[in-house]
Parts: sequence; structure tokens; C-alpha cells
Amino acid sequence: GQNIDQPTEMTATEGAIVQINCTYQTSGFNGLFWYQQHAGEAPTFLSYNVLDGLEEKGRFSSFLSRSKGYSYLLLKELQMKDSASYLCAVYGGGSYIPTFGRGTSLIVHP
Amino acid sequence: GAVVSQHPSWVICKSGTSVKIECRSLDFQATTMFWYRQFPKQSLMLMATSNEGSKATYEQGVEKDKFLINHASLTLSTLTVTSAHPEDSSFYICSAAGGAGSYNEQFFGPGTRLTVL
Repeated sequence: GQNIDQPTEMTATEGAIVQINCTYQTSGFNGLFWYQQHAGEAPTFLSYNVLDGLEEKGRFSSFLSRSKGYSYLLLKELQMKDSASYLCAVYGGGSYIPTFGRGTSLIVHP
Repeated sequence: GAVVSQHPSWVICKSGTSVKIECRSLDFQATTMFWYRQFPKQSLMLMATSNEGSKATYEQGVEKDKFLINHASLTLSTLTVTSAHPEDSSFYICSAAGGAGSYNEQFFGPGTRLTVL
């Protein structure tokens, strides 16, 4: 199986930058996803990394280091609506069935 | 992105009854559908993976006779919680793959909140 670890909760100020880390242990790595989930709603896709490096998409960027089993999601110019849970999910074991981390609850305050 | 719908969005039922949840891919053919369960402040837990026309593959610890999954077509999968009990109360989410996404991306339905009294 895959072990995925991410912080349980983070807080940040509106307008600031926050980095949410995710570490994983797996064999047969096939990719890493980040999802955003607001309370009571289904997850929505944010990013996908399969090669090392930084993928930038607007205010959100995601980084991957396969050798270190490490990824982070970077959120810039934080807005109140960014308060949500951020899920790191890994395709591992040679499959395309993701294993989800427990999620990081981000609280953005004024 | 592709659209996945779920019905009903919420359901309240008495203990011992069965509840059916539908998951539909509205604008693409989903070769694979996934069913997840999520308890409050917990992550998504995969229950089973289903491919159209074949039996679902259940994750360890998930009772296949209690959680019946049918994937009769490329656009519809159903999850039936049989003889539901209060401990089955949870947020059930389906996702579909094989659509317009470029990265084997899963498209999630809006979820079904089940409350068993």
C-alpha cells in the first residue's frame, strides 16, 4: 500500500502565501494529485504531477520530487474562499487507483 | 471538465432498510467508476472499483454483500447499502474515470449524505 502524510490543519492570513506539504511512500509511482474539498462537497481537481518539478496554474502551484517522495501545493494571494480541505492523492503500486491522504484543513482568516 | 451526477444528494432512512445511490457520467463514457466513503473530518476511503459489465473489486474490509455495486452501462453505476444501520451513516462519493481528462483524472460526483436512524 501507500503511506501518505500531510499536516492536519494550517492557518493563514488573507493575501498571504501558504505551502501544504505531502510526503508519500510507494512503489510503482504513477502520479500525484491535489484536490480541494469544501465541507459537505465532493473534491475538485487542482493539479497533477508525474514528473519532477513545479507546475504552475494561476494562484496554485504544485511541486513534485519523486526521489524524495515529496510534493507541495503552494497557494498564493490567499482568499477567504480558499478555506477548505486539501487532499493529496497518489497513484501507486503500478495502478491508477488513487490513495488519498487524510487531507489538510486550511483556514484563511482576515 | 466532465460531469458526474449522483442521486439522491441526501437520504434519511430507518435502520434495516436498503438504500440505492446512483452515479452517472453525463457527458462521457466511464470505463471505471469508484465508490468512496468519507466520515466527518476523515479522508476519502475507497470502497470498491467497478468496471462496466464486470464484478466490482472491493477493498479489504468492505462487505460486498452489504454494499452491492452494479455497473450496468458506461454511464451508470449504482451502490446499494443493504440493511443499513446507523454506523453506515456517512458521505458516499462516486467518481468516474476514462473521460475527457488528460491524466487518468477522476471526476467526482457531488456526493450523497446518508443518515440511518
